[in-house]
Amino acid sequence: EVQLVESGGGLIQPGGSLRLSCAASGFTVSHNYMSWVRQAPGKGLEWVSVIYSGGSTYYADSVKGRFTISRDNSKNTLSLQMDSLRAEDTAVYYCARHSAAWFFDLWGRGTLVTVSS
Amino acid sequence: EIVMTQSPATLSVSPGERATLSCRASQSVSSSLAWYQQKPGQAPRLLIYGASTRATGIPARFSGSGSGTEFTLTISSLQSEDFAVYYCQQYNNWPPLTFGGGTKVEIK
Repeated sequence: EVQLVESGGGLIQPGGSLRLSCAASGFTVSHNYMSWVRQAPGKGLEWVSVIYSGGSTYYADSVKGRFTISRDNSKNTLSLQMDSLRAEDTAVYYCARHSAAWFFDLWGRGTLVTVSS
Repeated sequence: EIVMTQSPATLSVSPGERATLSCRASQSVSSSLAWYQQKPGQAPRLLIYGASTRATGIPARFSGSGSGTEFTLTISSLQSEDFAVYYCQQYNNWPPLTFGGGTKVEIK
């Protein structure tokens, strides 16, 4: 079955770090563009970061310099290292696969990150 | 950055009625526009891509139209399972990828 399963969310204090993972099955992460998208409680969708199949990475201005996207080809997983976390980073984080035309054709179920003291 | 604006924020519709949702881009995105449906506690689900192509398994009552800066999602006859939040997203000029703020379709 083709699916994405996120993990690693939780409660973290402001200024702390957290690493999210996304396990893919049924396809190869490194052959696709893969993104993280987040959704603050009761709010809309916000794109966070992408890693291209070639390895290039890009970030939303709101997380640039604090978050790092990466992948582990041997484990077929996508990761998001989140440092210097702020209250406004509180959200459900989804990993998502891009189609060949760049819209999202597969989403995980998300993992909740809560930044609070 | 391309700003996507959806209207209305909330749409109250009776089951069986037609719903028309709008999405406007701050500059042309050609036909690189997708629509997603999201129900409470669930991940978004792809409905439409290329502005007008239904994704696999999406019922024919969902249709998309438009190009450039003005787009429409129409649900021809609302079913109970269609009450949800709908987001548009442009993928013509990125990063950053940008979404509209969403339209909540609620039962009238």
